[in-house]
Amino acid sequence: EIVLTQSPGTLSLSPGERATLSCRASQSVSSDYLAWYQQKPGQAPRLLIYGASSRATGIPDRFSGSGSGTDFTLTISRLEPEDLAVYYCQQSGGSPPYTFGQGTKLEIK
Amino acid sequence: QVTLTESGPALVKPTQTLTLTCTFSGFSLSTRGMCVSWIRQPPGKALEWLARIDWDNSRYYTTSLKTRLTISKDTSKNQVVLTMTDMDPVDTATYYCARFFWGSYRYNDYWGQGAVVTVSS
Repeated sequence: EIVLTQSPGTLSLSPGERATLSCRASQSVSSDYLAWYQQKPGQAPRLLIYGASSRATGIPDRFSGSGSGTDFTLTISRLEPEDLAVYYCQQSGGSPPYTFGQGTKLEIK
Repeated sequence: QVTLTESGPALVKPTQTLTLTCTFSGFSLSTRGMCVSWIRQPPGKALEWLARIDWDNSRYYTTSLKTRLTISKDTSKNQVVLTMTDMDPVDTATYYCARFFWGSYRYNDYWGQGAVVTVSS
């Protein structure tokens, strides 16, 4: 089973700043099978990024993904108050289980 | 427009069997590449992938719960059912179903709002 470790656990930044969230896999994951999700308080998760770097429909270009192998990054440029959420990475490579990271909580000051 | 809605009991007793139904619209689970996943989230904790059923009726389960889970589909009704036996208070969680796209890329692109399940006597 592939373990995904996200860091930091919590990130506290001000509007307009840039957020960098990390997702590290215990073994190599195909970029095609790495996704990021945003979960706002009280809501279901929403797909942000698939294929490590492709934005899902309707996602603003402030959100970008990158990485390969075992290291992946979600970057949010120009933070807005509405970006307050927990962000999860998930891998869907090979055979299930398709594990999630433990999440990064983004706080907006 | 793709939608998914989870339904089932809000409260179950320890040792009972939980049955959750995911009713969806906007896609067919007989179309190649279409799958439905179940994912749960205990209060204040992370997402946990549970199971998946594919267009060809292939089924997959998380290792730690494999003996307790069964996933099935009724394509004519656009429903996917998840059963979990021998429920315990640690199974208290919000249970989500989500459409999973299996292709050149793989991801859960549409999610239900979740069914809150509490396990208590």
